[in-house]
Amino acid sequence: TQLLEQSPQFLSIQEGENLTVYCNSSSVFSSLQWYRQEPGEGPVLLVTVVTGGEVKKLKRLTFQFGDARKDSSLHITAAQPGDTGLYLCAGESSNTGKLIFGQGTTLQVKP
Amino acid sequence: DAGITQSPRHKVTETGTPVTLRCHQTENHRYMYWYRQDPGHGLRLIHYSYGVKDTDKGEVSDGYSVSRSKTEDFLLTLESATSSQTSVYFCAISVTGNAYGYTFGSGTRLTVV
Repeated sequence: TQLLEQSPQFLSIQEGENLTVYCNSSSVFSSLQWYRQEPGEGPVLLVTVVTGGEVKKLKRLTFQFGDARKDSSLHITAAQPGDTGLYLCAGESSNTGKLIFGQGTTLQVKP
Repeated sequence: DAGITQSPRHKVTETGTPVTLRCHQTENHRYMYWYRQDPGHGLRLIHYSYGVKDTDKGEVSDGYSVSRSKTEDFLLTLESATSSQTSVYFCAISVTGNAYGYTFGSGTRLTVV
């Protein structure tokens, strides 16, 4: 069974700080996606990374896919209260083609 | 929004009763999925569909059935609801499967008492 472990599970920081969320597995994924979810709503896709070593930037968010396509990270620079939410990584299983979700990281950014 | 709606948004039902949740899309996407989200478990796949009348099981399919008679509608039925099925249920759609990401609905919060 392919598993995705996210860390940390909870993160509470002050506005302006930087942070990194990690998504790790012992399995190889065909692609890796990051979602952000707000209370009472469904997850919203932020980015998809496909190639090992790929780096994508979305304003203050930087996403990286590991060289071996087993792990990924999300780095937020100068966090703002609007970044508060649940961040989910999801890997496309190279065996089944289905998406496997991590447990999520709850981020709180205090003004 | 993204052309995907779930109904109802909230439901309370009694143990042993049947419950049907509806997912409706206006995007004409081929793939549709039902997930449940529980604290500590993330999102887990219940069933998915890759076309009209074409469905398959996910990792937590016991106690659930689905139907897709039209491209735009994907129904999830709890044949006899149990308290362990209290959860938030999300429907998702995608164009080509997983590679380009999913679009999720806003969810249905189901409580079984």
